[in-house]
Amino acid sequence: NAGVTQTPKFQVLKTGQSMTLQCAQDMNHEYMSWYRQDPGMGLRLIHYSVGAGITDQGEVPNGYNVSRSTTEDFPLRLLSAAPSQTSVYFCASSYSWRGAYEQYFGPGTRLTVT
Amino acid sequence: AQTVTQSQPEMSVQEAETVTLSCTYDTSESNYYLFWYKQPPSRQMILVIRQEAYKQQNATENRFSVNFQKAAKSFCLKISDSQLGDTAMYFCAFMKQTGAGGTSYGKLTFGQGTILTVHP
Repeated sequence: NAGVTQTPKFQVLKTGQSMTLQCAQDMNHEYMSWYRQDPGMGLRLIHYSVGAGITDQGEVPNGYNVSRSTTEDFPLRLLSAAPSQTSVYFCASSYSWRGAYEQYFGPGTRLTVT
Repeated sequence: AQTVTQSQPEMSVQEAETVTLSCTYDTSESNYYLFWYKQPPSRQMILVIRQEAYKQQNATENRFSVNFQKAAKSFCLKISDSQLGDTAMYFCAFMKQTGAGGTSYGKLTFGQGTILTVHP
């Protein structure tokens, strides 16, 4: 059981470039989400998904796209990177059944946009 | 919408002593969960302890315990017998409870974090 995996671990982009952060989980979790972590602001929710084909916006969705074609994968796309998107990105997943509160986090991706 | 506030950006403690990290939150919800997460330098997010709002008894996990004051909307973490491995960033987090004890699609609201340093 690999849990939640994220690739890459580190990435440097130039302003205007696009890229996809990958997230996969092998626990058959229905819920998946993306957070960004910035100094002094904690983690903030970007997008989340409650199942394959269903996504919704979180607190800070602008500049990011997501899709969920399978239960296992939940990629995060930056269409045109901006320096304000320099951050550490975490993917998380959890079960959907009653009382299943624990979030399983990936190891994070540190993204720098120059 | 919910907000979570951690007013202590940094804390330090001597090994073997006790330290308390503060967290306050604001919500109009009656049913929710509260959590403390630990983030060591490895960056991995680790669940330390959780509290269901409907439970009056404070949660305890080994050396970690909470002081949950629902009326005051306060959720403090106490670490007893501090160890060097406790050095980390600690986040307080809130999750709304949906109907029938469900979780709100796993959506967490985090505080700003407190950096805890344990000195030998």
